[in-house]
Amino acid sequence: GAVVSQHPSRVICKSGTSVKIECRSLDFQATTMFWYRQFPKKSLMLMATSNEGSKATYEQGVEKDKFLINHASLTLSTLTVTSAHPEDSSFYICSATGLETQYFGPGTRLLVL
Amino acid sequence: AQSVAQPEDQVNVAEGNPLTVKCTYSVSGNPYLFWYVQYPNRGLQFLLKYITGDNLVKGSYGFEAEFNKSQTSFHLKKPSALVSDSALYFCAVSDKTSYDKVIFGPGTSLSVIP
Repeated sequence: GAVVSQHPSRVICKSGTSVKIECRSLDFQATTMFWYRQFPKKSLMLMATSNEGSKATYEQGVEKDKFLINHASLTLSTLTVTSAHPEDSSFYICSATGLETQYFGPGTRLLVL
Repeated sequence: AQSVAQPEDQVNVAEGNPLTVKCTYSVSGNPYLFWYVQYPNRGLQFLLKYITGDNLVKGSYGFEAEFNKSQTSFHLKKPSALVSDSALYFCAVSDKTSYDKVIFGPGTSLSVIP
């Protein structure tokens, strides 16, 4: 199946700093990628749809200025958590669509101290 | 609006016994249905999907699922459970008109007891 990677897999940062998470589709081109947030033992919450060459579409309740998304190419989308706070600590997962199926990255564990 | 229900938070099954993880859905048009598995601190792994055709779909690791349109269900099954099947399972649905916007169920934690 298609492969999606994420980097870093884990990151610890201080409150007030910004963190960038990369999502790459390794063996296919993805005009659309998705960013999810997952709380412990909970389902995935769709944060935004990342569109190559245009602005991301954010779900209701997700702060655009807090979670900056850039879809720079057909294989790369980035999520930047700006001025991170402890409540932003979570598991962030990206996905990309290929062959009418969403393939997920391995996730990034963010801990804000 | 699309929605997915997984009525059981937790399913326990003895190793070697058949397992079923339940899923029901609601979608306005024709559904795309998916099952994913998640191991601790990992992303989601695709197991199988239903788009059209045969109602019984076979997927990875010996799993299968049956699409039942009248009951709007898509239960995940495996004839003989393994301890290594213990994980969190998510059912998901999308509408064929916007197939890439997928809605996930709340997840079911499966424990296979040796």
